[in-house]
Amino acid sequence: SQKIEQNSEALNIQEGKTATLTCNYTNYSPAYLQWYRQDPGRGPVFLLLIRENEKEKRKERLKVTFDTTLKQSLFHITASQPADSATYLCALPGGYQKVTFGIGTKLQVIP
Amino acid sequence: NAGVMQNPRHLVRRRGQEARLRCSPMKGHSHVYWYRQLPEEGLKFMVYLQKENIIDESGMPKERFSAEFPKEGPSILRIQQVVRGDSAAYFCASSELPGNRGGHTDTQYFGPGTRLTVL
Repeated sequence: SQKIEQNSEALNIQEGKTATLTCNYTNYSPAYLQWYRQDPGRGPVFLLLIRENEKEKRKERLKVTFDTTLKQSLFHITASQPADSATYLCALPGGYQKVTFGIGTKLQVIP
Repeated sequence: NAGVMQNPRHLVRRRGQEARLRCSPMKGHSHVYWYRQLPEEGLKFMVYLQKENIIDESGMPKERFSAEFPKEGPSILRIQQVVRGDSAAYFCASSELPGNRGGHTDTQYFGPGTRLTVL
């Protein structure tokens, strides 16, 4: 069955450093992959979408890579700030009209 | 342009009661999705609706759960005879276009969620 793996353990990094989050998937051949941010008590907020023919995508301090051979996406936040602290969700198309989410990785940026 | 609205934000029910969760999609959006998020678990797809039609309810439990998106008014997720295991955050999302069409997609915008607690 299709599976998305994100490191469920929290990632703690120092302010100003680059945070790197990993999303691995199996039994998928996705046309695209998305990253969302979720703050406690709030709904997920869409951040970036990367298509299978794109190796890398950037948006301000965010960078996403997509390696369809490794079946992996990396999500980078450069010059991290305490305000970046949140849970980051990886999402893949789960079939017709569906999106399947990973469990998310909690990022804590320490001042 | 208001975002996706959900109410109530918090709902407490006793076992056996009914829970009604409402979702108003973003203006101009005619596609609605419901997800459930249990503590320490990921978002799980429940149902996808367009106006007056259920398109995909493969993630919905077969009993006690139903959803509708009438021509007028919000989408409703209804849980009958709630049990403690129904306690979770329920999120609604909407999109302007269908969420997944032949490699093309439209972003889903999420509401703030309804936190259901069953006593």
